[in-house]
Amino acid sequence: AQSVTQPDIHITVSEGASLELRCNYSYGATPYLFWYVQSPGQGLQLLLKYFSGDTLVQGIKGFEAEFKRSQSSFNLRKPSVHWSDAAEYFCAASGNTPLVFGKGTRLSVIA
Amino acid sequence: DAGVTQSPTHLIKTRGQHVTLRCSPISGHKSVSWYQQVLGQGPQFIFQYYEKEERGRGNFPDRFSARQFPNYSSELNVNALLLGDSALYLCASSFSPHSGANTEAFFGQGTRLTVV
Repeated sequence: AQSVTQPDIHITVSEGASLELRCNYSYGATPYLFWYVQSPGQGLQLLLKYFSGDTLVQGIKGFEAEFKRSQSSFNLRKPSVHWSDAAEYFCAASGNTPLVFGKGTRLSVIA
Repeated sequence: DAGVTQSPTHLIKTRGQHVTLRCSPISGHKSVSWYQQVLGQGPQFIFQYYEKEERGRGNFPDRFSARQFPNYSSELNVNALLLGDSALYLCASSFSPHSGANTEAFFGQGTRLTVV
């Protein structure tokens, strides 16, 4: 069955520190991959997406993600976290099918 | 241009009641999908409609139903509500049926349903 795993339920980082959120997928073939962000009580906003080509993908708000086929991973990174980045982050996958989401990683940012 | 709009934003219902949630997609989008997000979990796919036809259904009981209208707006209906139906219900619109190459799903703000 298709699945997306986000191993970290909650991560706390200091403002200005770097960030990496992990995502692993299990699909029959290489799926399309997405990262969404959700602020409390809000809908989902797309940060970035990977369809094919360059394995390093740039997104909005200074985020990037790297696709690694050998590890079935699509980790999200940001070099310097801002307090406004505190939110829930969801990795999702689609193989021309409805989106399958991970359970999310809650990011807290401390001063 | 307006994004995906959902109504109502919040709703409180009693067990056994029926509820209807509404979604208007982005102008030009013909596909609408519904997702259920239980607190602390990722969204789970419920239904997908494209050009007014059901194109996919997730693992949800028959108490859940949906439809899409000629203007591409959509309704999600849930009958005989259970406490476990309490969740954030998200609507997503896209140009084509599924998230894939050169297409993406845009989400609304959601409807927070509380069943008491």
